[in-house]
Amino acid sequence: AQSVTQLGSHVSVSEGALVLLRCNYSSSVPPYLFWYVQYPNQGLQLLLKYTSAATLVKGINGFEAEFKKSETSFHLTKPSAHMSDAAEYFCAVRRAGGSYIPTFGRGTSLIVHP
Amino acid sequence: GAGVSQTPSNKVTEKGKYVELRCDPISGHTALYWYRQSLGQGPEFLIYFQGTGAADDSGLPNDRFFAVRPEGSVSTLKIQRTERGDSAVYLCASSPNSGSSYNEQFFGPGTRLTVL
Repeated sequence: AQSVTQLGSHVSVSEGALVLLRCNYSSSVPPYLFWYVQYPNQGLQLLLKYTSAATLVKGINGFEAEFKKSETSFHLTKPSAHMSDAAEYFCAVRRAGGSYIPTFGRGTSLIVHP
Repeated sequence: GAGVSQTPSNKVTEKGKYVELRCDPISGHTALYWYRQSLGQGPEFLIYFQGTGAADDSGLPNDRFFAVRPEGSVSTLKIQRTERGDSAVYLCASSPNSGSSYNEQFFGPGTRLTVL
């Protein structure tokens, strides 16, 4: 079955510091992987996706993620955190069965300190 | 531009009552998805429509949950005999189409359902 595990329900960083949000996946088929961001009282927004092309994927707002098959990981990074990055981040893997419906992890809340 | 809209934004009901949640997708999007997000969890897939038909309803938890999309645009999620465990944020998303190629889903802000 397709699933993702996000390590750490909360991550706290200082403004300007590196952001690293961890995601490990399990998939019985070649995975499609996603990162979404959810700001308070807003809908989810796609940050980036991996669809079997380049393993280093660049997304919006300076985020990027690297697909590592040997580690079954798809960690999200940003070199320098900004206060506006504070939000809930969800890693997701494509469901099996041919559709592109994501199966989401439990989410990681990113807290940015001034 | 108009995104996905959901009404109401908040709904409080009593256990045992019937509720309807509405989703207006982006105009022209043929695929529509419903998810449920419980507190502290990621969104959980419920059902998706391709046009008017439910292409995959495997995520509906039981027969108290039902969704329709009669004209291939607006969709309504219906919950009968609500239970306290149904309390969650119900998210709707739409995409240009689904099928053999990837299309980004665009999410609405959700309806927060509270069952007392």
